[in-house]
Amino acid sequence: AQSVSQHNHHVILSEAASLELGCNYSYGGTVNLFWYVQYPGQHLQLLLKYFSGDPLVKGIKGFEAEFIKSKFSFNLRKPSVQWSDTAEYFCAVNLGDSWGKLQFGAGTQVVVTP
Amino acid sequence: GAVVSQHPSRVICKSGTSVKIECRSLDFQATTMFWYRQFPKQSLMLMATSNEGSKATYEQGVEKDKFLINHASLTLSTLTVTSAHPEDSSFYICSAPTSGGYWGNTQYFGPGTRLTVL
Repeated sequence: AQSVSQHNHHVILSEAASLELGCNYSYGGTVNLFWYVQYPGQHLQLLLKYFSGDPLVKGIKGFEAEFIKSKFSFNLRKPSVQWSDTAEYFCAVNLGDSWGKLQFGAGTQVVVTP
Repeated sequence: GAVVSQHPSRVICKSGTSVKIECRSLDFQATTMFWYRQFPKQSLMLMATSNEGSKATYEQGVEKDKFLINHASLTLSTLTVTSAHPEDSSFYICSAPTSGGYWGNTQYFGPGTRLTVL
């Protein structure tokens, strides 16, 4: 069965620190990959996505992610976080033939301290 | 940008009653919508795919008679939790895909509905 694994459930870091959140998936076929963010009390918002092309994807709010096919990974990075980046981050995958159906990772709660 | 709304945002009901949750795409049409369920401190789990003009397709383990889905128009899907029980208490989120907007082919999520069954 397909699965999505996020390595950290909870991350605490200081402002200006660098952030990297791991995401691995298990599926051998074509996948589309997403990172969503959920700020406290708000709905899920798309940070970035990868469908094809350049494996280094840039998203909104200074986030980027790198798709490494050989490692089945799609890690999220931000060089310097801000307090406003405190949120829950979800990695999601869908099968290439049904891009609307998403399988989510468990989520990573990120807390950025001033 | 593409917006998806849900109503109500929060509902409390007695065990045995039915609850209807609406999901609307406000500025685009969606022939397909998706319903997810999120338990506390857990990820979203896909429940079903709502198809305009045809039956919904349910994920394995989701009771179709328990969670009735109706996609009556290109902008509205409803999820009815029938004979709700406390174990149905959860956060229900819908999403709708669109090819328009900043992101191109992607999905937009509603704000969710918190259901509490007493």
